[in-house]
Amino acid sequence: EPEVTQTPSHQVTQMGQEVILRCVPISNHLYFYWYRQILGQKVEFLVSFYNNEISEKSEIFDDQFSVERPDGSNFTLKIRSTKLEDSAMYFCASGLVRSETQYFGPGTRLLVL
Amino acid sequence: SQQGEEDPQALSIQEGENATMNCSYKTSINNLQWYRQNSGRGLVHLILIRSNEREKHSGRLRVTLDTSKKSSSLLITASRAADTASYFCATAPSGTYKYIFGTGTRLKVLA
Repeated sequence: EPEVTQTPSHQVTQMGQEVILRCVPISNHLYFYWYRQILGQKVEFLVSFYNNEISEKSEIFDDQFSVERPDGSNFTLKIRSTKLEDSAMYFCASGLVRSETQYFGPGTRLLVL
Repeated sequence: SQQGEEDPQALSIQEGENATMNCSYKTSINNLQWYRQNSGRGLVHLILIRSNEREKHSGRLRVTLDTSKKSSSLLITASRAADTASYFCATAPSGTYKYIFGTGTRLKVLA
């Protein structure tokens, strides 16, 4: 069964450094998402992406964040200058139809020191 | 309550018993989805129920939706130890697709 994959599974970085989190969505899906989950808290929507542009974003998704689909398979989340509070699990998801089932990847655990 | 709040926060039952979790939300929605998350892992989609549906079944799962009360319930019948996980509902207010997840119900099924 096709699944969403994410790399790396864990990332440790120093405050102020840039990180790029990578995702490979399910191949025929058209809608792509990033969520984050701070330890012990809710899963929070960050951004949705369709047709090579951002469809919606949350208040969390400020200028420090960007997303890109650099080729036909990868979907990336970049955090330009990480802060301590960016430490969280970041989940990528993809879907065939907007507002229908979203399939989540296993997540990247980001720790900012 | 916030959009997508589940109760109870935690539930502990014996294997073979049924588990019921509830979710409440505040706005009109297109659909409501239930997900499961094993500790520290990704989210697994369980079931989606549309706003014009009242009940849906999938295997041992039964979901109901009451749009007048803005609430949903997830019933897991004949629970197994492998059902131990956190369960979340997710909704997006009509007109947006920014899914909001609840705080989750932590289910523990004792063998």
